[in-house]
Amino acid sequence: KQEVTQIPAALSVPEGENLVLNCSFTDSAIYNLQWFRQDPGKGLTSLLLIQSSQREQTSGRLNASLDKSSGRSTLYIAASQPGDSATYLCRVSGYSTLTFGKGTMLLVSP
Amino acid sequence: KAGVTQTPRYLIKTRGQQVTLSCSPISGHRSVSWYQQTPGQGLQFLFEYFSETQRNKGNFPGRFSGRQFSNSRSEMNVSTLELGDSALYLCASSFTAGAYEQYFGPGTRLTVT
Repeated sequence: KQEVTQIPAALSVPEGENLVLNCSFTDSAIYNLQWFRQDPGKGLTSLLLIQSSQREQTSGRLNASLDKSSGRSTLYIAASQPGDSATYLCRVSGYSTLTFGKGTMLLVSP
Repeated sequence: KAGVTQTPRYLIKTRGQQVTLSCSPISGHRSVSWYQQTPGQGLQFLFEYFSETQRNKGNFPGRFSGRQFSNSRSEMNVSTLELGDSALYLCASSFTAGAYEQYFGPGTRLTVT
């Protein structure tokens, strides 16, 4: 059974800092990994999707990497802003499963 | 292109009642998945529908059921509501079934009293 862990569970940083969110998974037989952000009480917004054959994907200030063999993905946020405050979730797609981590709650203070 | 829409956005029901939630996927998307999100359990997969067929099911009791129509719209039904069913119910659509990029709706907040 796939298990997905996100560390840290919560993170508070001052505006302007670069930061890294981690997502680890137990079964490396995956199709892809997707990062989302969720604002309080809202749905999920897709940020980046990395296919199992890829090492990283970039969108603006966001960069996600994937190391399938070690079961890890990181989401790098450059020059954080207060608008980045949200919960960030990773979703791992296996052959017959879709498993979410419990998320990292990020607070960026001005 | 319109996003995923869910109706209603908020619901208050009493224990023992039943409820039906609706999800309209992005135009052209044929797969709809449903999730339950609670503070304690996080996001838990309920089921996935593709071309009107249930493709996968999570570990939820039979009180939770769903269906998909020929236009890809999906409904989820919960019968005999319990207090523990209070949650944010999210649906996600994707172009096809399985491990494809998912797009989520805003969710339906269900409160059971």
